[in-house]
Amino acid sequence: SQELEQSPQSLIVQEGKNLTINCTSSKTLYGLYWYKQKYGEGLIFLMMLQKGGEEKSHEKITAKLDEKKQQSSLHITASQPSHAGIYLCGADGLLNDMRFGAGTRLTVKP
Amino acid sequence: GAVVSQHPSWVICKSGTSVKIECRSLDFQATTMFWYRQFPKQSLMLMATSNEGSKATYEQGVEKDKFLINHASLTLSTLTVTSAHPEDSSFYICSARVDLNEQFFGPGTRLTVL
Repeated sequence: SQELEQSPQSLIVQEGKNLTINCTSSKTLYGLYWYKQKYGEGLIFLMMLQKGGEEKSHEKITAKLDEKKQQSSLHITASQPSHAGIYLCGADGLLNDMRFGAGTRLTVKP
Repeated sequence: GAVVSQHPSWVICKSGTSVKIECRSLDFQATTMFWYRQFPKQSLMLMATSNEGSKATYEQGVEKDKFLINHASLTLSTLTVTSAHPEDSSFYICSARVDLNEQFFGPGTRLTVL
């Protein structure tokens, strides 16, 4: 089965600082998704990447998928307290069943 | 985007009772629905995949007799936690998918078993 490793597990940054979260797969990724969540709440879809070398941005968040399609990064520029939460990367399995990495808990200090 | 609802949003029950959680796709028909469980400070773990009209496929380690899944229609899947115990307390999230398209997640159900 697809295994996704996320790093770091947790991250504390000062407001205004940039940060990067990584997601590495043991297999080629055919669909890589980034979600944001607060525990006890639903998932907020951020971005989906499918092509090697693809990069997408939304507001201050940029996600990239490497050429080999085994690693993705999520970069937040000038972080704000509203960015705090749990960031999850997910990937499609053979049966289109999405599986997730362990998550990265982001805290942004004002 | 499409909307997936879950009911109830939270439930408290006594140990030994059964609890049913509903997952509905409100404005689309979902060929496949998925059930996830999330413990505090952990990620979402896939429990089972259900296809309308057929038996659910359970992940390794998930007891199918304890977590009964019924996918009676293209818009409704139910998860019944039978004889619930405190260790079943968790956040349960469903998602729905139309063929190879985007997966839409429900808002989740928080289950507390006393």
